[in-house]
Amino acid sequence: NAGVTQTPKFQVLKTGQSMTLQCAQDMNHEYMSWYRQDPGMGLRLIHYSVGAGITDQGEVPNGYNVSRSTTEDFPLRLLSAAPSQTSVYFCASRNHRLAGSTDTQYFGPGTRLTVL
Amino acid sequence: DAKTTQPPSMDCAEGRAANLPCNHSTISGNEYVYWYRQIHSQGPQYIIHGLKNNETNEMASLIITEDRKSSTLILPHATLRDTAVYYCIVRAPDSWGKLQFGAGTQVVVTP
Repeated sequence: NAGVTQTPKFQVLKTGQSMTLQCAQDMNHEYMSWYRQDPGMGLRLIHYSVGAGITDQGEVPNGYNVSRSTTEDFPLRLLSAAPSQTSVYFCASRNHRLAGSTDTQYFGPGTRLTVL
Repeated sequence: DAKTTQPPSMDCAEGRAANLPCNHSTISGNEYVYWYRQIHSQGPQYIIHGLKNNETNEMASLIITEDRKSSTLILPHATLRDTAVYYCIVRAPDSWGKLQFGAGTQVVVTP
């Protein structure tokens, strides 16, 4: 298993440009999430999905779009990048909920995005 | 999900036990206590979780007080590779994918 993979690892954008951060998992997890982490801070939830075709907003959704057409993939789109979106982005996936709640999350290695 | 309070930083000597406290005084009956850590520039890594009973795995032990208002993560023999930010998170099983990360505790293990 590759686990959770993210591409690209690094990206520099100019203000107003658009791009898509890719996230894929091969563990057949239903739940996937996107977080951002600013310097010296904890992670903040952007969007999440509880299964193919189902997405919902997290704590800081503005400026980001997501879709979930397959179980494996959960791309994050920046439609018009702004300097405030300079951050490290982490994708995560989670086990199915089981009795006893062993629903630990698995995180990808992150994408470091700079918006000039 | 209940809020947690952790000290911002702590040091630990290599080979000694590291005891990381977490307060979660507003925890609800169905909420679990989770611990994750984040080594510099990497994605967070799951460590351990528990509901009421103390738990132990190959990485750490989790001690939860009887009233469940606080817990302690124990790294029994800290190594330099345990230097990381440690996050204590409280959440209910049906909170979907959401994890509320606070600022965590920066643990520095010194030789």
